[in-house]
Amino acid sequence: DIVLTQTPLSLAATLGQPASISCRSSQSPVHSDGNTYLSWLQQRPGQPPRLLIYKISNRFSGVPDRFSGSGAGTDFTLKISRVEAEDVGVYYCTQAAQFPWTFGQGTRVDI
Amino acid sequence: QVQLVESGGGVVQPGRSLRLSCAASGFTFSSHGMHWVRQPPGKGLEWVAVIWYDGSNKYYADSVKGRFTISRDNTKNTLYLQMNSLRAEDTAVYYCARWGTPKILDLWGQGTLVTVSS
Repeated sequence: DIVLTQTPLSLAATLGQPASISCRSSQSPVHSDGNTYLSWLQQRPGQPPRLLIYKISNRFSGVPDRFSGSGAGTDFTLKISRVEAEDVGVYYCTQAAQFPWTFGQGTRVDI
Repeated sequence: QVQLVESGGGVVQPGRSLRLSCAASGFTFSSHGMHWVRQPPGKGLEWVAVIWYDGSNKYYADSVKGRFTISRDNTKNTLYLQMNSLRAEDTAVYYCARWGTPKILDLWGQGTLVTVSS
């Protein structure tokens, strides 16, 4: 199984300032079709998860452009350019290159 | 509107069974693979199972293999999860999620809580 390790596990962000979360994969989440299926989810308190970023760096529909994803190989990053109050929650990286699909442990972002 | 609504959760004794349902609306259910993902209280996400759009393929997490069965009825726009031989460690909120393109979980239900306790 592909193990995803996120750092930090907890992040105290400052409104208007950038924040960054790292996700390291035990093996590259590259599918046999050549694509890297690494996504990021956001889970606000009391809500189901919501897709933010897919295939490393593609923003999902309706996601603000302050969210961006980057990386390659086994190291990936989610960046929030200017943290807003509504960004509080837990962020997960996830891979869909092979079954079982797996998730990182989650990073809790507070203000 | 486009949505997924889970039901069937509750309190069940260890060793007993429970069936979860996920009703889909607002999109062509029969065109999408579907997943179950669970989240123990206060913990992270765990992928549980997937079924292809036509039911032709299914995969399970090792932790539920042989005990859980994923299925679907495309005539009723409904996804199911039959859970047998339940254990305390199966206690979680169970989410159904749509398999979007490309290989994303692009639509999630609100979840249903399953508590396994004597």
